[in-house]
Amino acid sequence: EVQLVESGGGLIQPGGSLRLTCVVSGFTVSSNYMNWVRQAPGKGLEWVSVIYNDGRTYYGDSVKGRFTISRDNSKNTLNLQMHSLRAEDTAVYFCARDSGGRVAFDFWGQGTTVTVSS
Amino acid sequence: SYELTQPPSVSVSPGQTASITCSGDKLGDKYVSWYQQKPGQSPVLVIYQDIKRPSGIPERFSGSNSGNTATLTISGTQAMDEADYYCQAWDSSVGVFGGGTKLTVL
Repeated sequence: EVQLVESGGGLIQPGGSLRLTCVVSGFTVSSNYMNWVRQAPGKGLEWVSVIYNDGRTYYGDSVKGRFTISRDNSKNTLNLQMHSLRAEDTAVYFCARDSGGRVAFDFWGQGTTVTVSS
Repeated sequence: SYELTQPPSVSVSPGQTASITCSGDKLGDKYVSWYQQKPGQSPVLVIYQDIKRPSGIPERFSGSNSGNTATLTISGTQAMDEADYYCQAWDSSVGVFGGGTKLTVL
C-alpha cells in the first residue's frame, strides 16, 4: 500500500528555519519525481519544489534560495529544509509523487501545517 | 512566469453537466492534470495527460485540452462531486496550479 506521511510542521517565528520530512512506503522515493505542494489557509494549491529521479531539483520563485528539497534513499524519505521563513510561508505542506515524470501527482500525503508567526 | 486561470466558482444542478475551464498561453501544447479537493482532505487526481482517468475515478469525469483552454467536464454531476477543482501543468521544470474552482451542486 502506498503511503506518504509528512511531519515536522509547527509554529516558527519569522526568519526561522524548519525541516519537513515525508516518510514514504509502498514505492521507492529515488525512482520517482517527488514534489512539495503547499496550501495557505483558505487559498489554493501552490507548487513548491520537485526532485527528479536523477537528483535534479527545481523550485517555485517564491521559495527559491530559501528552501532546499532533498531525499534520503536509505530511509526512503523526502525532505524540505526551509530557511528565512516568512508569514506568507504559512500553509499546509503536502508531499506528492509524480510517477510519470512531470505527468501528474498521483499520490499525496495528508499534509503538515507550518505556521510562521511571532 | 506562467499562469493558469480558472473561474472562481461554477454551479450545476444534480444530474446536469458541469464544465470547468483552465486557461493559459498555448496550454494545448502542455499536458494538463486536474485535482479534486474536498474540505479538510488532500487533493485527488481525477484527470491526467489531458484526457486520462486514473483507476477508480468515475467515467463521468472527462477532460480536453486545445488551444489556450483545458476543460474538465463532469457529466451527470452528483452531490458528492461538490468540491474545489484545480488544474495543473508544467512550464518547463516548474509546476503551476490554477487558482481553483469551487463547484457547487445545487
